[in-house]
Amino acid sequence: EVPLSESGGDLVQPGGSLRLSCTASGFTFRNYGMNWVRQVPGKGLEWVSGISGSGATTDYADSVKGRFTISRDNSKNTLFLQMNDLRVEDTAVYYCAKDRGLWIQLWFFDNWGQGTQVTVSS
Amino acid sequence: EIVLTQSPGTLSLSPGQSATLSCRASQYVTNNWLAWYQHRPGQPPRLLIYGASSGATGIPDRFSGSGSGTDFTLTISRVEPEDFAVYYCQQYVSSPYTFGQGTKLEL
Repeated sequence: EVPLSESGGDLVQPGGSLRLSCTASGFTFRNYGMNWVRQVPGKGLEWVSGISGSGATTDYADSVKGRFTISRDNSKNTLFLQMNDLRVEDTAVYYCAKDRGLWIQLWFFDNWGQGTQVTVSS
Repeated sequence: EIVLTQSPGTLSLSPGQSATLSCRASQYVTNNWLAWYQHRPGQPPRLLIYGASSGATGIPDRFSGSGSGTDFTLTISRVEPEDFAVYYCQQYVSSPYTFGQGTKLEL
């Protein structure tokens, strides 16, 4: 297990913005794709977004496309999720998750952070 | 989008019994690119199985995966008290990388 630690979750009004961060240690961060996965209260897991090790390639679930932006700073071993135009249905625990593949994204996840709570409510 | 349907929704067992969890895909899962995760309350999900049948690092051998095509199974041969959790399957064939709705293994 490698430590992943999320931060930035908060209570925000609909239409608002939030930026999540995930700091990593214990592995060569730039060599691995990273992802955000969320869990809506009482429901299952939903993949939200992923980014390649270099940051050149990104992908998004349709539910967040155009509103969320994933990015990373490999010099600081940190992953980000910029969340704009937030909706009530974005309320969830957001996990950062490390891709299993070395230098290549396999799109399944072998290490997860503890999660950060995002609540969108007026 | 590949939809994954897990059954049963809840499985009630006692320690020492065997558990069989099912995951059915709406489309063929190429190369058996299917993973299983365990999710205990208050903890992050934990990778158990990938490639439908390969055990992740450190996973006890009582956990095994099988199946191909559209039908996959996670088997826990002798359930231990720490195994009571929610289990999810996930396909990584194509985006969006979807999860099943989960099977809750309860005491």
